[in-house]
Amino acid sequence: AQTVTQSQPEMSVQEAETVTLSCTYDTSESDYYLFWYKQPPSRQMILVIRQEAYKQQNATENRFSVNFQKAAKSFSLKISDSQLGDAAMYFCASLGGATNKLIFGTGTLLAVQP
Amino acid sequence: DTAVSQTPKYLVTQMGNDKSIKCEQNLGHDTMYWYKQDSKKFLKIMFSYNNKELIINETVPNRFSPKSPDKAHLNLHINSLELGDSAVYFCASSLRVSNEKLFFGSGTQLSVL
Repeated sequence: AQTVTQSQPEMSVQEAETVTLSCTYDTSESDYYLFWYKQPPSRQMILVIRQEAYKQQNATENRFSVNFQKAAKSFSLKISDSQLGDAAMYFCASLGGATNKLIFGTGTLLAVQP
Repeated sequence: DTAVSQTPKYLVTQMGNDKSIKCEQNLGHDTMYWYKQDSKKFLKIMFSYNNKELIINETVPNRFSPKSPDKAHLNLHINSLELGDSAVYFCASSLRVSNEKLFFGSGTQLSVL
């Protein structure tokens, strides 16, 4: 069974600063993917970044990067140079190659202070 | 030109009613999904269809019945609505089963009074 745990219900960061959101997961699958989704107040689910489990290199997308620690089953998201538009709920998720079920964590609500 | 579109965006109804939510994708994807986001923002998969065939059916009450008339459409019909059904329902699609990119619709907020 897959599980995803986000231990930080809420986080706050000053504009232009860096923040890290934590995520741990558990899966019995050997082939899987990990994701961070952003959900602003508009409700739309926006894919921020994804990581293939077989790749050792950490994924990056502009100001967003991950720290993928496969042995520790940890997948944290770092947001650099935070902007007001980054304020949203962030969900960590895992997708097993065999089951194709996208399993979400409980989310972290990020506030960005001007 | 929305890739995954759901209608309606908002649905307010009385307990006991029957309602449907429609979903269409114009991406040419084979696989479609329904996810439920509860009041605590927790997202959970409900169903998945691949080429009109049901492939994932989580523990969902029988009052929920998905229907896929073709691979571009996946509708969700809910009978005898209950207060606990109030949630945001998301449709999503992916190119095929075991494809890692899911595209989400904008959600349907269902309020049962």
